[in-house]
Amino acid sequence: GAVVSQHPSRVICKSGTSVKIECRSLDFQATTMFWYRQFPKQSLMLMATSNEGSKATYEQGVEKDKFLINHASLTLSTLTVTSAHPEDSSFYICSVGGGVAKNIQYFGAGTRLSVL
Amino acid sequence: DQQVKQNSPSLSVQEGRISILNCDYTNSMFDYFLWYKKYPAEGPTFLISISSIKDKNEDGRFTVFLNKSAKHLSLHIVPSQPGDSAVYFCAGTFGNEKLTFGTGTRLTIIP
Repeated sequence: GAVVSQHPSRVICKSGTSVKIECRSLDFQATTMFWYRQFPKQSLMLMATSNEGSKATYEQGVEKDKFLINHASLTLSTLTVTSAHPEDSSFYICSVGGGVAKNIQYFGAGTRLSVL
Repeated sequence: DQQVKQNSPSLSVQEGRISILNCDYTNSMFDYFLWYKKYPAEGPTFLISISSIKDKNEDGRFTVFLNKSAKHLSLHIVPSQPGDSAVYFCAGTFGNEKLTFGTGTRLTIIP
C-alpha cells in the first residue's frame, strides 16, 4: 500500500494561534487526499477532501475558513487550523486514496493537537 | 445519521479462538467495504476489503463476510493472537472514494 507521512505527530499550542499539519504521499502521486478528525472514543469523521490543484471539498458543518487546506502538489497536502481554540483539540489524520486499489485509503500516523 | 454502525464497543477473546467483529450499514449505495485496524495515537491500517458483488473475501487469518440483504458484514480473525488487540473500524464507500466509518470495536485478546 501507499506510504503516508504526517507531521508533526503532536503539537501543543496556545489559544488563538494557527497550526499547520503536513501530509505527504511518499511513494505515489496522489491527486486526492482526505482529512479526518477523531475525538476520544469516537469514529473518524471526514472533514474534507483535498484535490490537487483545486479547492478542497468540505463536509457539512466543517468551517472552511477555520480549517484551511492546500494541496499544491501531488505529494503534499496541508491542513491549517486557524485561530485554534480548546474545542479544536483532537486527533487529525490524513489519508491518500486513488491509487491502484482505487477504493482503499492509506493513512498517516495522525497529529494530536492540544490547544491550551 | 450513523450510516455505519458497530454495535459492540468492545470484545474480549481468548488467544487462539476466533474473533468475530460485526458491522451494520444503512446506505444501500455502498458498493465496497473495508476493515481497518487502529492502535492508540496511530493512523488506521488497512486490513481487508470486499466488493458488494462478493459475499466473502479471505486473506490469511482474516475473512470478511458480506450479507447484502441484511446490510451486514463481519470480520473473522482465526486464530486470534495478542497482537490483534486493537480498535477495528469498518467503513463503506461508493463511487467517489469517500469512506464512512463505523464507531469502532475494541478487541482485546486474552493470553
